[in-house]
Amino acid sequence: QVQLQESGPGLVQPSETLSLTCTVSGGPVSSYFWSWIRQPPGKGLEWIGNIWYSGTTNYSPSLKSRLFISVQTSKNQVSLKLSSVTAADTAVYFCARAPSLGYFYESGGYLQRLDAYDVWGQGTMVTVSS
Amino acid sequence: DIQMTQSPSILSASVGDRVTITCRASQNISNWLAWYQHKPGKAPKLLIYKASSLQSGVPSRFSGSGSGTDFTLTISSLQPDDFATYYCQQYDSYSPFMFGQGTKVEIK
Repeated sequence: QVQLQESGPGLVQPSETLSLTCTVSGGPVSSYFWSWIRQPPGKGLEWIGNIWYSGTTNYSPSLKSRLFISVQTSKNQVSLKLSSVTAADTAVYFCARAPSLGYFYESGGYLQRLDAYDVWGQGTMVTVSS
Repeated sequence: DIQMTQSPSILSASVGDRVTITCRASQNISNWLAWYQHKPGKAPKLLIYKASSLQSGVPSRFSGSGSGTDFTLTISSLQPDDFATYYCQQYDSYSPFMFGQGTKVEIK
């Protein structure tokens, strides 16, 4: 049974970089998409971005300039770095897995599609405060 | 961005009730829609994928329908374990992969 465990500092200073790791156990990172999703206190879920195990990324436009997601296949880990954080980045951060559905020919080109997020971590709370 | 609008935001119901939650996309997403159940302090749980496919292990009282822009999650007979917040999510376009704002199902 695949399990995901997020880890990282619970408190980050404003303007600094938030760094989180998602450790995957019970299965490989290969052949899956891996995503980060967050939930600010009292609010809903916000998609941050994802990465294909080979390294191809897609980021939320609102976070793209501050965001870096990477995968370390040898360690079975996925990492998130979010720079120049503010109080608005305070949230529970989840990692999640999505299976690949392969390539679809659409709109004149090939698009790699992923399916819904079938495995999630429990989440880790990150507070941005001085 | 593709916007996802869920209704209602809060739903009060009793055990045994039939419950329906709707989700509307701001543009056509075909059937690239998922429904998740989320309880405080827990990992969100996938219920429905591709609008109407039941995830393995999910009770059959959950069902999803719709395509294009209008979607529905139905719980045929609400059970005590079903009181939670439910989210829809589109995964058609990296616009980004927006979630709906959530529907909290609470005890009436």
